[in-house]
Amino acid sequence: DQQVKQNSPSLSVQEGRISILNCDYTNSMFDYFLWYKKYPAEGPTFLISISSIKDKNEDGRFTVFLNKSAKHLSLHIVPSQPGDSAVYFCAASANAGGTSYGKLTFGQGTILTVHP
Amino acid sequence: GAVVSQHPSRVICKSGTSVKIECRSLDFQATTMFWYRQFPKQSLMLMATSNEGSKATYEQGVEKDKFLINHASLTLSTLTVTSAHPEDSSFYICSASPAGLAGGDTQYFGPGTRLTVL
Repeated sequence: DQQVKQNSPSLSVQEGRISILNCDYTNSMFDYFLWYKKYPAEGPTFLISISSIKDKNEDGRFTVFLNKSAKHLSLHIVPSQPGDSAVYFCAASANAGGTSYGKLTFGQGTILTVHP
Repeated sequence: GAVVSQHPSRVICKSGTSVKIECRSLDFQATTMFWYRQFPKQSLMLMATSNEGSKATYEQGVEKDKFLINHASLTLSTLTVTSAHPEDSSFYICSASPAGLAGGDTQYFGPGTRLTVL
């Protein structure tokens, strides 16, 4: 049961253009969402997060949008740079207390390639 | 800030031996650390939640007697793969949250450990 889904395995974008990475979730208990960037053989690096009480959070070139009714979030990177090429994971957690407190559920990841 | 280290970065062992992987939070205290496993081209799968001073909480399907977790201090958690077999070969990643158990807090990840069992 994949509760967090990234349906696009890969995305190719020209340098300077916008990259849009999408993520869908099924668990309505999720109330906190994060995006991570990962290079091969390395651990994920935190990029940006958003709480369910917001619909947008911006940090420099990175903006995350959350549509709770559609159970959908997206990460926008603008302008895209070749150094952004990596695997991007979205993750979600449920503030339900108990053993689920702080536990992250990850999507499958999307490989972003930014061409010069 | 919020640096997490793992040791070793790579380990190759013979089938039947045990391997210990360390996870340290270098510049913050973490009451909770998490252990993940990633297969090639797949997502990170949570194996267990490690709580300082208490027993770890394992996810469904993860053998607690095979994957021993110890969280001896606020900055160190260890994962021991006992009697390793080739199917245990994987990329193991730990994470820690500076705010401990607070729901939704950001987790910071270690660089991972590549385990290869021959």
